Amino acid sequence: DTAVSQTPKYLVTQMGNDKSIKCEQNLGHDTMYWYKQDSKKFLKIMFSYNNKELIINETVPNRFSPKSPDKAHLNLHINSLELGDSAVYFCASSQVWSQQYFGPGTRLTVT
Amino acid sequence: TQLLEQSPQFLSIQEGENLTVYCNSSSVFSSLQWYRQEPGEGPVLLVTVVTGGEVKKLKRLTFQFGDARKDSSLHITAAQPGDTGLYLCACNFGNEKLTFGTGTRLTIIP
Repeated sequence: DTAVSQTPKYLVTQMGNDKSIKCEQNLGHDTMYWYKQDSKKFLKIMFSYNNKELIINETVPNRFSPKSPDKAHLNLHINSLELGDSAVYFCASSQVWSQQYFGPGTRLTVT
Repeated sequence: TQLLEQSPQFLSIQEGENLTVYCNSSSVFSSLQWYRQEPGEGPVLLVTVVTGGEVKKLKRLTFQFGDARKDSSLHITAAQPGDTGLYLCACNFGNEKLTFGTGTRLTIIP
C-alpha cells in the first residue's frame, strides 16, 4: 500500500564515495521529484521529471545525476560525496504539481 | 530569490491552548499550501488555498490566505499532542514549482 517508497532509509558513507538512492511510486503519477532537506529543515527542490523527461533542474552540482528508467521510478546518483551533501533527501510524485506526495526520506550522512 | 518566511520558528505550548503560525512573502503567489511533517516522515499536504482572503477549515485547523496573496496563517484550536510536528508552507510563484517556507517546529506538551 506504500505510495512513494525510498531506499535506503539511512545511508552512512565516507567522503569521496559514490552512492545511489532509489525511489518508486505506485500512484500512477507522471511527475516525480527530488528534494533536499537540510539540518535546519529547509526543503528545496532539486529535480523534477515528467514521464521520464527532466523538466526542473535547480542549481545542483553535477555530481548529482537523476535517472528515470520509467515513470514509476526516479533514482538519484551522487558522485564524490562531500560533507555538505549530508541531509535528508525526499522523493515525491504528483499528477498535478500542486498535489505532491512525499516519500519517507533517506537520511544521508557523509563522514 | 523568492523566500517564504515562517514565524515563529519554534513554538512550544500546553495541550488545550490555541496557536497561530504565519507564512509571509514579499512576492505575490498564485497558490499556497500547508504541510505537516512528523519526525522520520515526509511532508503531508494539509490544504491548498488559491483565492485571496480564502479561509479553509480542517477540524481544529483554520487556514487563511491573505487578501494581497502574500501571506497566510494557520490557527490551531485546542492543540493536542498529535499536532506536534514541523509545519511547512509552500507556494507557487507561477512556475509550477513549489517553494517551501522556513518551517515552524510545533511541540504540544501534554
